[in-house]
Amino acid sequence: ELKVEQNPLFLSMQEGKNYTIYCNYSTTSDRLYWYRQDPGKSLESLFVLLSNGAVKQEGRLMASLDTKARLSTLHITAAVHDLSATYFCAVDQNYGGSQGNLIFGKGTKLSVKP
Amino acid sequence: EPEVTQTPSHQVTQMGQEVILRCVPISNHLYFYWYRQILGQKVEFLVSFYNNEISEKSEIFDDQFSVERPDGSNFTLKIRSTKLEDSAMYFCASSWTGVNTEAFFGQGTRLTVV
Repeated sequence: ELKVEQNPLFLSMQEGKNYTIYCNYSTTSDRLYWYRQDPGKSLESLFVLLSNGAVKQEGRLMASLDTKARLSTLHITAAVHDLSATYFCAVDQNYGGSQGNLIFGKGTKLSVKP
Repeated sequence: EPEVTQTPSHQVTQMGQEVILRCVPISNHLYFYWYRQILGQKVEFLVSFYNNEISEKSEIFDDQFSVERPDGSNFTLKIRSTKLEDSAMYFCASSWTGVNTEAFFGQGTRLTVV
């Protein structure tokens, strides 16, 4: 059974600092997604990582995937208050097949303070 | 920009009653999903639907749940006899293909069972 572990679950950062959120998963998968959720809102797709070594960047966020280590990272550079949200990684359970069942991590609640 | 829309945004129902949650996926998408998120917890997969049939379902999706695509645009989740523990945010999502594309989520329906 696929398990997805994120850490940390809570992260309080100062503006301007850098930090990394980690997402480990337990079985082989070749598709990993990062989503952002603001309180009471829906899930906004941030990154789709589809191959070993994939790296994607958008603004102050950069995501990478190491399928051999079964690890994805979401790196935050020079955090700003607007990045405060909960970040979820999700792994597609259907390796090599059609997308179906996304298994989500518990989420990392990020709070960026001035 | 196309988006997944869900109605209602909030539904309160008495235990034992039937509820139908409605979703309009993005128009050229072929795969449809329901997820739920109990308050403060992670997002959990319920069911995926393709070509007018269920392609995958989780253990949560028992006989009390059903899905339907009654016409060319709507996708519904029915809970036959609601329980207190069904209280959660229910997200509909859709994707264009089943492989290598992210799912786009609706804004959610908050279901409260009293």
